[in-house]
Amino acid sequence: GQQLNQSPQSMFIQEGEDVSMNCTSSSIFNTWLWYKQEPGEGPVLLIALYKAGELTSNGRLTAQFGITRKDSFLNISASIPSDVGIYFCAGQGGPNTGNQFYFGTGTSLTVIP
Amino acid sequence: DSGVTQTPKHLITATGQRVTLRCSPRSGDLSVYWYQQSLDQGLQFLIQYYNGEERAKGNILERFSAQQFPDLHSELNLSSLELGDSALYFCASSVGIVGTDTQYFGPGTRLTVL
Repeated sequence: GQQLNQSPQSMFIQEGEDVSMNCTSSSIFNTWLWYKQEPGEGPVLLIALYKAGELTSNGRLTAQFGITRKDSFLNISASIPSDVGIYFCAGQGGPNTGNQFYFGTGTSLTVIP
Repeated sequence: DSGVTQTPKHLITATGQRVTLRCSPRSGDLSVYWYQQSLDQGLQFLIQYYNGEERAKGNILERFSAQQFPDLHSELNLSSLELGDSALYFCASSVGIVGTDTQYFGPGTRLTVL
């Protein structure tokens, strides 16, 4: 099935640094979602975006719904060790796609104390 | 603990067999989602049910089927299993019908097909 292009694939950063990752698609989405998955656990929804241009924050996390509706980015400021995990973007199409969800390939984040 | 339960935690079976994965959503949640996560395919959305009715469908194989029962628990049936079906299968639940409701994921069922 369709997958979103998510980059970078992995990141190794120093504690305290800011992180930026993004997701692009060839299709327009009505909703963009960002999840975090830690080893051995299911994904946890971090941020949901509903409108083109929307900028939403959740603590140190900020995500934006691209104006073209084909991309989204996630920023993490002042990273800490517990930010370690795999971050997935997901887009949801409209009724013409059966309201289907498509996921990015994930960004693996390692924070070095 | 997300409140979503999945059984079994691990399942090892042979090619050609059929298995059933079970999910109990959080209390009060009406939507149940099924996802497949494998190393080479990443996280794939399979299907969503809302209050017993199919709501959204992903690239779910014809060999796979799901249903949501009146008590809102859901089962994912996988038949004629192939080696490539080995993966983590997650169930998630949310309150409403819209996919943007916060989805709470269960711990997953790890399926190994030998």
